[in-house]
Amino acid sequence: DAGVTQSPTHLIKTRGQQVTLRCSPKSGHDTVSWYQQALGQGPQFIFQYYEEEERQRGNFPDRFSGHQFPNYSSELNVNALLLGDSALYLCASSLVSIRTGVGYTFGSGTRLTVV
Amino acid sequence: QKEVEQDPGPLSVPEGAIVSLNCTYSNSAFQYFMWYRQYSRKGPELLMYTYSSGNKEDGRFTAQVDKSSKYISLFIRDSQPSDSATYLCAMTHSNSGYELNFGKGTSLLVTP
Repeated sequence: DAGVTQSPTHLIKTRGQQVTLRCSPKSGHDTVSWYQQALGQGPQFIFQYYEEEERQRGNFPDRFSGHQFPNYSSELNVNALLLGDSALYLCASSLVSIRTGVGYTFGSGTRLTVV
Repeated sequence: QKEVEQDPGPLSVPEGAIVSLNCTYSNSAFQYFMWYRQYSRKGPELLMYTYSSGNKEDGRFTAQVDKSSKYISLFIRDSQPSDSATYLCAMTHSNSGYELNFGKGTSLLVTP
């Protein structure tokens, strides 16, 4: 049973560029959340998608946007990249019926470096 | 002030030692408390979760929650080198389980 799959694993971009990160949720899961984990920090919630809609958003600027597809996979887009966007981007999938935050499965992340 | 505070360490202990990891929090609305383990270059994996106050034991791991003090702990007995990882506490509100609020993580090294 495949877990959460993220691509690419590593990425180097230049300031001002745009980037798209991809996530395939665990089989049977219908909800996808994105987190940003800076070096030495805990993950920070970016947003969550369910039924192709953004359900909740953390404290991130509009440069961060997302999308969820009918097959539940998701993309995270970041525009006008800043050096401070360098981080590990984690995707977590879950079932919408689980409201406690307990049933999340995380992927291994995409390491984004902005130069 | 962040809602969840966690000492980043690093913490180094000899194999077989009892490890104590802790977090404090400021938001009294938190009701679900989790501990995640994150190995290098991997995503977090759920170790333990507790609802409200109390203790929960699973093998060598024990999670404790003291809501009156806004303090949670994870104890690891008979620590092994394979326990070397970063341990993240996380918590969420009862009304909205969407957002996990993480601590910074504590880096643990268990030496043979």
